[in-house]
Amino acid sequence: NAGVTQTPKFRILKIGQSMTLQCTQDMNHNYMYWYRQDPGMGLKLIYYSVGAGITDKGEVPNGYNVSRSTTEDFPLRLELAAPSQTSVYFCASSYQTGVANYGYTFGSGTRLTVV
Amino acid sequence: AQTVTQSQPEMSVQEAETVTLSCTYDTSESDYYLFWYKQPPSRQMILVIRQEAYKQQNATENRFSVNFQKAAKSFSLKISDSQLGDAAMYFCAYRSYANAGGTSYGKLTFGQGTILTVHP
Repeated sequence: NAGVTQTPKFRILKIGQSMTLQCTQDMNHNYMYWYRQDPGMGLKLIYYSVGAGITDKGEVPNGYNVSRSTTEDFPLRLELAAPSQTSVYFCASSYQTGVANYGYTFGSGTRLTVV
Repeated sequence: AQTVTQSQPEMSVQEAETVTLSCTYDTSESDYYLFWYKQPPSRQMILVIRQEAYKQQNATENRFSVNFQKAAKSFSLKISDSQLGDAAMYFCAYRSYANAGGTSYGKLTFGQGTILTVHP
């Protein structure tokens, strides 16, 4: 089982460049999330999606955009990269029906450096 | 909004000894989940243990157990017979039980983390 796959694993961007972080899951999970982890800190939610075509902002959405055209894919777009976006990015997915949640699966993370 | 606090930035333990990591949280909800995640240098987030707030019994997973004190909003992790492979950053996390008014959507709220060092 592949689980949640993130690409790339590492990336260096110059200030003002744009890029897309890819995330794919093969577990038919309805919920997907993007978190960022700054050095020595916990994860903070950037965006989330409860199903194809439905996305919403988390705690720290500024500078990012997402889309969810399929159940499997949830790419994160950085426009005009800034040094403050230097972080490790995690994609995650979970299956939820009603009030029951069946746990999270995390990707292995993308380390992004903006110089 | 919920908050999660881990007051111990770093902890250390001797191999084979027991260590307890602390976590407190703030919420007005009565039903929720609590988690401990382990993050080794590989960056992978690994679920260690999970507790449902409606369950009075403390969760256990092999050498890992929790002390869940709902009234005190405390959720500590005990690691028994510590092993070198337990060395990692540990995160406490909170998740709402239901999609209350569409405000939670299953998101996890994390503490700042505790770095655990295991000495041989």
